[in-house]
Amino acid sequence: QKEVEQNSGPLSVPEGAIASLNCTYSDRVSQSFFWYRQYSGKSPELIMSIYSNGDKEDGRFTAQLNKASQYVSLLIRDSQPSDSATYLCAVNTGGFKTIFGAGTRLFVKA
Amino acid sequence: EAGVAQSPRYKIIEKRQSVAFWCNPISGHATLYWYQQILGQGPKLLIQFQNNGVVDDSQLPKDRFSAERLKGVDSTLKIQPAKLEDSAVYLCASSIIGTSGRENNEQFFGPGTRLTVL
Repeated sequence: QKEVEQNSGPLSVPEGAIASLNCTYSDRVSQSFFWYRQYSGKSPELIMSIYSNGDKEDGRFTAQLNKASQYVSLLIRDSQPSDSATYLCAVNTGGFKTIFGAGTRLFVKA
Repeated sequence: EAGVAQSPRYKIIEKRQSVAFWCNPISGHATLYWYQQILGQGPKLLIQFQNNGVVDDSQLPKDRFSAERLKGVDSTLKIQPAKLEDSAVYLCASSIIGTSGRENNEQFFGPGTRLTVL
């Protein structure tokens, strides 16, 4: 079992819709969870961090964490073509180690 | 605040040649990471430094890869000799600490170096 799993996609949504990106992790002691956006040919950019169960909202982005289910998600409301990118989930398992998922490719159709 | 700097941005070499990459982290960030990202995959950690000490190099192919961070600031990653499968983007990232302390684990990436081995 991979330590951080994401559906590779592509996930295609129409402009204005909600995009839902999911991530599961295997280490129950994981403490910190991050979402990065990576445009084609660019480096990852941190867009959300979440540390406690529940929802965290920042603009059009909402991160959701459920530690009991070992699940973290990212919702993008009012999706725009500029949101088309690969979204990487990263999990810090405590101490020094942060593990990245392979990413989900998102396409927002105009 | 200046971000993470990396050079060169692109490099093309023949197999069996050597190559070196340079990274300067965000000022004040104690932890520095080198990742390898192959097209279609997530970043894979090669080595992590805390100041000038290595805290994780378990996935570094030590027969050909080496890295150093002598003064606890900038770092170099070297490959010698290069193989075809080393073709990838090499990303450098930094974080405030990188241990416990939740926000301290937020990593900020440089632009990366795209390496092509022919």
